Amino acid sequence: DAGVTQSPTHLIKTRGQHVTLRCSPISGHKSVSWYQQVLGQGPQFIFQYYEKEERGRGNFPDRFSARQFPNYSSELNVNALLLGDSALYLCASSLATGAVLFGYTFGSGTRLTVV
Amino acid sequence: EDKVVQSPLSLVVHEGDTVTLNCSYEVTNFRSLLWYKQEKKAPTFLFMLTSSGIEKKSGRLSSILDKKELFSILNITATQTGDSAIYLCAVEAAGWGKLQFGAGTQVVVTP
Repeated sequence: DAGVTQSPTHLIKTRGQHVTLRCSPISGHKSVSWYQQVLGQGPQFIFQYYEKEERGRGNFPDRFSARQFPNYSSELNVNALLLGDSALYLCASSLATGAVLFGYTFGSGTRLTVV
Repeated sequence: EDKVVQSPLSLVVHEGDTVTLNCSYEVTNFRSLLWYKQEKKAPTFLFMLTSSGIEKKSGRLSSILDKKELFSILNITATQTGDSAIYLCAVEAAGWGKLQFGAGTQVVVTP
């Protein structure tokens, strides 16, 4: 079985540009969460989607947006990139919301570098 | 404000040593505490703890939760170089639908 798939694995963008990151959850999983991990820090929660609806949002500016598609895959979009957006972006897949009941499986992430 | 604090931030040990990692938390409506190992990119799941005083074990790794004192420890015995990684502690609170992570502890095991 395929795990959580994220694409691309690496990319370099210029300040002010837009970026789209993609995540395919484990087959049968309906919940996708996005996390940002800056070097030297733990992952920070950005969004959670379940059944194509936003179920949670972290403390990130409106430049960050996301959506979930009917096949439960998800996109994270970041507009007007800043140098501080450079980070590893992780996607976590779950059957539904709630780690206690369902657990979370992480993808390998997308390494974004903004120059 | 909810927070998760891990200590130490980093440590270096020799193969065969025992390592103890700490995680303290302050959250409202605690639901579970999770430990992850992050070697390169994807955090991989180690343990989920929901009840106080019940030790969970997996090989040389073990973990326990104290819900009264609001902390958890992760022990690694007979360390090997393959244990070198960042160990992340995360807390889930009821109704959150998210994990709040600590900054992680970087463990380096030298031959």
